[in-house]
Amino acid sequence: IAGITQAPTSQILAAGRRMTLRCTQDMRHNAMYWYRQDLGLGLRLIHYSNTAGTTGKGEVPDGYSVSRANTDDFPLTLASAVPSQTSVYFCASSQRGGNTDTQYFGPGTRLTVL
Amino acid sequence: EDQVTQSPEALRLQEGESSSLNCSYTVSGLRGLFWYRQDPGKGPEFLFTLYSAGEEKEKERLKATLTKKESFLHITAPKPEDSATYLCAVHGTQGGSEKLVFGKGTKLTVNP
Repeated sequence: IAGITQAPTSQILAAGRRMTLRCTQDMRHNAMYWYRQDLGLGLRLIHYSNTAGTTGKGEVPDGYSVSRANTDDFPLTLASAVPSQTSVYFCASSQRGGNTDTQYFGPGTRLTVL
Repeated sequence: EDQVTQSPEALRLQEGESSSLNCSYTVSGLRGLFWYRQDPGKGPEFLFTLYSAGEEKEKERLKATLTKKESFLHITAPKPEDSATYLCAVHGTQGGSEKLVFGKGTKLTVNP
């Protein structure tokens, strides 16, 4: 069982370019999340999806969009990248339904926008 | 607003020197407190979930405890392979698990 896979592992991108970060989970979790992690700021939620077909905004959604066409995939798109989007991006998933649920993280994508 | 503060920011230990990491939190009501371990260049790895004050959980050299205001991650006789950043997160009663709030972490270095 792979858990969560993310692609690419790392990417250098010119400002203004469009970029999609891919995330796939094989745990059949209903909820998925995208975070960015920056030095000194910790993990911040960008977007989330409680179930296939639905999405919601997190703490820092501006400049990002997501879709959830099926249970397993949750791509994150930067329509026109800017240098402030340089960060490490983590996808996570959880099985919602109880009082709380544990989020499991992927290995991350390191993105540099020049 | 839910808040999490971890201390210290960084901790250096000698191998075998036991210590504790602190996670202080403020929530309207606690659904769960989570500990993760994060190695450089990797994603956070789940360690424990604590649900109520007085609860304790152990895994190898790690023991997590919970009070109404804080959680401690006790590391007994650490080894160099315990070196990592340890993250604490809380899920309060206001909202779903998308409301998980993370601390900034404690970077632990264990020297041989």
